[in-house]
Amino acid sequence: KQEVTQIPAALSVPEGENLVLNCSFTDSAIYNLQWFRQDPGKGLTSLLLIQSSQREQTSGRLNASLDKSSGRSTLYIAASQPGDSATYLCAVTQGGSEKLVFGKGTKLTVNP
Amino acid sequence: NAGVMQNPRHLVRRRGQEARLRCSPMKGHSHVYWYRQLPEEGLKFMVYLQKENIIDESGMPKERFSAEFPKEGPSILRIQQVVRGDSAAYFCASSPFGLLNTEAFFGQGTRLTVV
Repeated sequence: KQEVTQIPAALSVPEGENLVLNCSFTDSAIYNLQWFRQDPGKGLTSLLLIQSSQREQTSGRLNASLDKSSGRSTLYIAASQPGDSATYLCAVTQGGSEKLVFGKGTKLTVNP
Repeated sequence: NAGVMQNPRHLVRRRGQEARLRCSPMKGHSHVYWYRQLPEEGLKFMVYLQKENIIDESGMPKERFSAEFPKEGPSILRIQQVVRGDSAAYFCASSPFGLLNTEAFFGQGTRLTVV
């Protein structure tokens, strides 16, 4: 059974700092991995999608990497801003299915 | 192109009543997924549908829960005889070609409260 873990559960940083969020998964047989952002009381916003054959994806100040063999992904946020404050969720699409398996998220607070 | 639309955003039901949650996928998307987020828990898969077909309902409780995605109209998640434990946020997602090659787009969710 696939399990996705995100560490840390919460992170507080000063504005301008670069930071890394971690995601690990137990079964490397995935099709892809997706990072989402969730604001309080809101839905999920897709940030980056990495296919299993890819190593990384970049969008603006965000960079996501994938090491499928070791079951790890990182989301790097450069020059953090207060507007980046949200919960960041990692999810994998399990091989042979159309299900997303989610981690519980990392709650990020960027202090001005 | 409007995003995934869910309604209502908030729904309050008394124990024993029925709850109907609606989801209109993005234009051109024929794959719909329902997820449930319990307080302090991660999102859990419930059901995957394509037009008029349930493809995978392995995450949906066998009793009281049902889902449909008719040829015309939104996808409906129906919960009969709601209990307090059904209180959660229910999210719908859609995809144009399935999740193996494309990303999932989520709606704002319906927050169900059972009193």
